[in-house]
Amino acid sequence: DSGVTQTPKHLITATGQRVTLRCSPRSGDLSVYWYQQSLDQGLQFLIQYYNGEERAKGNILERFSAQQFPDLHSELNLSSLELGDSALYFCASSPGLAGRYNEQFFGPGTRLTVL
Amino acid sequence: AQSVTQPDIHITVSEGASLELRCNYSYGATPYLFWYVQSPGQGLQLLLKYFSGDTLVQGIKGFEAEFKRSQSSFNLRKPSVHWSDAAEYFCAVGARSTGNTPLVFGKGTRLSVIA
Repeated sequence: DSGVTQTPKHLITATGQRVTLRCSPRSGDLSVYWYQQSLDQGLQFLIQYYNGEERAKGNILERFSAQQFPDLHSELNLSSLELGDSALYFCASSPGLAGRYNEQFFGPGTRLTVL
Repeated sequence: AQSVTQPDIHITVSEGASLELRCNYSYGATPYLFWYVQSPGQGLQLLLKYFSGDTLVQGIKGFEAEFKRSQSSFNLRKPSVHWSDAAEYFCAVGARSTGNTPLVFGKGTRLSVIA
């Protein structure tokens, strides 16, 4: 158990809908990262937050957004869902930003299925 | 910016045989290096990490990795593979800078174990 929790574990929805994925980082970790993992694209970094502020962006679509709240939990919002958004979404956390402090601990993931 | 190459997409080994998974990185200085394992349907679990010091690093589940600066490599090894080692393995590199530099992950190597 990494200490990172993600809810829900599974999510099934329809095209065009909007969903919210939630992540609680390990106690004391200030950085939260979101990743998308699909069979064809592999593990893709989406976005990083540190202590409430966005710090790095990867291959995140404009239809996707995220935020980190004062209690450090984070939410990833996916809207106007398409079939191709079906994937495993992982959250990871790390104590800080750089060097050894960005060793990442991964949550169990949310499996999103868009029908 | 740092980058990671895992040259082998898929490797099959017999149970009890030795294993070596390759990882090459590109970075201007000595990076922080990590190996993660992902079992089917699960999140990524940290196997081992290299920050400094002894270049041979021991990890969980009987794995070890050796940092070779001259070859820019951080190969993962196990002397005797068990069927439960079948999984996807990811190498990651982190920068030693003081700025915000999220980990960069390789595309992964899928390990199959046959009887």
